Amino acid sequence: TQLLEQSPQFLSIQEGENLTVYCNSSSVFSSLQWYRQEPGEGPVLLVTVVTGGEVKKLKRLTFQFGDARKDSSLHITAAQPGDTGLYLCAGVLYDKIIFGKGTRLHILP
Amino acid sequence: EPEVTQTPSHQVTQMGQEVILRCVPISNHLYFYWYRQILGQKVEFLVSFYNNEISEKSEIFDDQFSVERPDGSNFTLKIRSTKLEDSAMYFCASERRDTYEQYFGPGTRLTVT
Repeated sequence: TQLLEQSPQFLSIQEGENLTVYCNSSSVFSSLQWYRQEPGEGPVLLVTVVTGGEVKKLKRLTFQFGDARKDSSLHITAAQPGDTGLYLCAGVLYDKIIFGKGTRLHILP
Repeated sequence: EPEVTQTPSHQVTQMGQEVILRCVPISNHLYFYWYRQILGQKVEFLVSFYNNEISEKSEIFDDQFSVERPDGSNFTLKIRSTKLEDSAMYFCASERRDTYEQYFGPGTRLTVT
């Protein structure tokens, strides 16, 4: 059974601070994705990382795929209240996607 | 911008009844998926579908479930003999495959009473 562990589960920080969210697994994935999910809505894809060691930037968000393609991190610089939400990592295995439980982020103004 | 649509947005059914959840994927996408999310829990993969057949399925996707692409646009999930524990949000997603980007629909909330 493939599992993706996300940490922390909850994070509450002040506006302007930096933060990192982690996604770890014992399984090797062909790619790893990060989503954001708002209450009552479907997940929205933020980024896909495919190559081990790959780094992608989306404005203040930096995503990294581990060299062994088993883990990933999401770093947010100068967090803003608009970043508040549930962030999900998901590992892609052939035609199946395994989701983590998510990190609920709360940015205090 | 094209999007995945799902109907109904909320379905209430009695235990033991059959339900059909409908999805219209993005038109040039070739891969289709169903996921479910029980309230407060993680999104769980149910099944993937390509070229008119199931590509992968999870342990959850047993004989109670079936999927179909009855025409060129709809993708359906049928749940037979519903149980209380089938209550969840069901999400459909579609993917073009060259980008490995899945686009999720807004979900159908299924409530089994």
